[in-house]
Amino acid sequence: QVQLQESGPGLVKPSETLSLTCTVSGGSLSSYYWTWIRQPPGKGLEWIGYIDNSWITNYNPSLKSRVTISVDTSKNHFSLKLSSVTAADTAVYYCARFFYSNSRHNWFDPWGQGTLVTVSS
Amino acid sequence: DIHLTQSPSFLSASVGDRVTITCRASQGISSYLAWYQQKPGKAPKLLIYAASTLQSGVPSRFSGSGSGTEFTLTISSLQPEDFATYYCQQLNNYPRTFGQGTKLEIK
Repeated sequence: QVQLQESGPGLVKPSETLSLTCTVSGGSLSSYYWTWIRQPPGKGLEWIGYIDNSWITNYNPSLKSRVTISVDTSKNHFSLKLSSVTAADTAVYYCARFFYSNSRHNWFDPWGQGTLVTVSS
Repeated sequence: DIHLTQSPSFLSASVGDRVTITCRASQGISSYLAWYQQKPGKAPKLLIYAASTLQSGVPSRFSGSGSGTEFTLTISSLQPEDFATYYCQQLNNYPRTFGQGTKLEIK
């Protein structure tokens, strides 16, 4: 079964770039879509974007100018970069498989355990 | 963006109760809706997709219904492990969006 694990720095300085990696086990990156979601402490969920199995990306317009999602097939992981961060970017960041069925129905499952990133000097 | 409004935002109930959470979309999304359960400090867990299809391994006391703009998640008989926060998510339009969450607490 597919499992995901986020990794990366837990503290980023304002104006710098947040970089996270999601390592996938039990499945091939080229078989599915992959996505990032974040959750500020005590708040709700915000979709960040996805990368599909042709390595085409789609980002939330609210973050599009600052976000890059990419894949490294040799390491079976995908990555998130968010530039020019501020305190408002402090959140738990989750990666997940973005599953598309033949019927066009789609959903996020499974999710990684999440990693807290704090933006502070 | 499609806005999802969940009601209620907070719900207090007892073990054995039947509870229903509603999710309303700002425009029609057919049946492209999922429900997730999140416990403190944990990642969301998929419960239902396509508005009414139970994810494998999810207890049958959970059920979903609806289409268009109004959807419901029902738990037929609350168990202690069901006390958590529940989120709906629309998967018809980009950007994908979530409801604000419903926190289900023990009465």
